[in-house]
Amino acid sequence: DTAVSQTPKYLVTQMGNDKSIKCEQNLGHDTMYWYKQDSKKFLKIMFSYNNKELIINETVPNRFSPKSPDKAHLNLHINSLELGDSAVYFCASSAEIAGGDLETQYFGPGTRLLVL
Amino acid sequence: QKEVEQNSGPLSVPEGAIASLNCTYSDRGSQSFFWYRQYSGKSPELIMSIYSNGDKEDGRFTAQLNKASQYVSLLIRDSQPSDSATYLCAVNENYGQNFVFGPGTRLSVLP
Repeated sequence: DTAVSQTPKYLVTQMGNDKSIKCEQNLGHDTMYWYKQDSKKFLKIMFSYNNKELIINETVPNRFSPKSPDKAHLNLHINSLELGDSAVYFCASSAEIAGGDLETQYFGPGTRLLVL
Repeated sequence: QKEVEQNSGPLSVPEGAIASLNCTYSDRGSQSFFWYRQYSGKSPELIMSIYSNGDKEDGRFTAQLNKASQYVSLLIRDSQPSDSATYLCAVNENYGQNFVFGPGTRLSVLP
């Protein structure tokens, strides 16, 4: 069974479009995250979502919005896509946001977004 | 600005040797430290976590933490070609509100 899954795996779209990436975890974790990994392989946290509390990285443009229909899902919606949004987006989850080994994050397979 | 720094590499070691990966962090309030491994085109996976000063061993891997020097390292003994990957140091500060990854060190183990 896949612990953290993302769809789609690949996403190619035109500049200006709106797109969503879905993430689901079946680990029973309370905290989920979205990361962006750019072409230089730098992995940067975008959002963490824990018990309905959203912690936003202030450098993330407000075109990006996470949506959590329930504890097992954290989707990422992106408005007005720009060329610079091209990257790999990883979803992750952890049992707790802080607390020793419970902080361990489990990553999804990634979604490769290419904006043309 | 809180930062986590690593040598980008590539670090090349012969098969069977010890690979030493280093990481420094800027925020003294950091509480939890992690090493992740990422193969090309794959997602990061946890290798080790460490929370208190000293060494922590797990199989061929040893993590070392020195909070006074703001330094964390990962030693890989008896390196194998399958260990060739990018190793990411990650630091969790302020109860998850500032989880920062370093740029990663690319390790190449030569047969």
